[in-house]
Amino acid sequence: GAVVSQHPSWVICKSGTSVKIECRSLDFQATTMFWYRQFPKQSLMLMATSNEGSKATYEQGVEKDKFLINHASLTLSTLTVTSAHPEDSSFYICSARRDDHAPLHFGNGTRLTVT
Amino acid sequence: EDQVTQSPEALRLQEGESSSLNCSYTVSGLRGLFWYRQDPGKGPEFLFTLYSAGEEKEKERLKATLTKKESFLHITAPKPEDSATYLCAVQTVGAGGTSYGKLTFGQGTILTVHP
Repeated sequence: GAVVSQHPSWVICKSGTSVKIECRSLDFQATTMFWYRQFPKQSLMLMATSNEGSKATYEQGVEKDKFLINHASLTLSTLTVTSAHPEDSSFYICSARRDDHAPLHFGNGTRLTVT
Repeated sequence: EDQVTQSPEALRLQEGESSSLNCSYTVSGLRGLFWYRQDPGKGPEFLFTLYSAGEEKEKERLKATLTKKESFLHITAPKPEDSATYLCAVQTVGAGGTSYGKLTFGQGTILTVHP
């Protein structure tokens, strides 16, 4: 089955620093990957759609200069939280699909804590 | 605007006590309805995709059904290991009949099965 790997699984950083999260599709190529954010006891909220070889598409209210997305290859997308602040602390989850008819598969998420 | 509402928010069952979770949706054009299971601190795990009213899917103790307005996830004789948050999500048809893979999630139902 499709596997999506996300790294790191958790990270603690100081306010003002930047953090990079990687998302890899291990056994398939993904032209599109999706980045979600989840607050405690809340559902997943789509942040942006990552497109291989082109700019990401951000959802309304998501700052593109704060959440930098790079989809460098068909198996790798990265999310960089720049100048992180405590309010950026959250659970970030990426997802990918083999093709338009396949279900989305999710990584195991990254718990970001900004102190 | 696409909306997905899950009920109940939380459900406590005794082992072996069958029940159902509900997912009501309002969308402009349904491309697919997805059920996921999420364990604490993990990304969602894919369970089922349903595409049209009347469709049913089964996997072990779980059975998902779909109507034009809602979906049910039936859990038969649940076990403690079925305890998790169950998420429902819809994928809609984009402009021009395309599908972008974007999912809109419900808030989830937290299921606890006591031995």
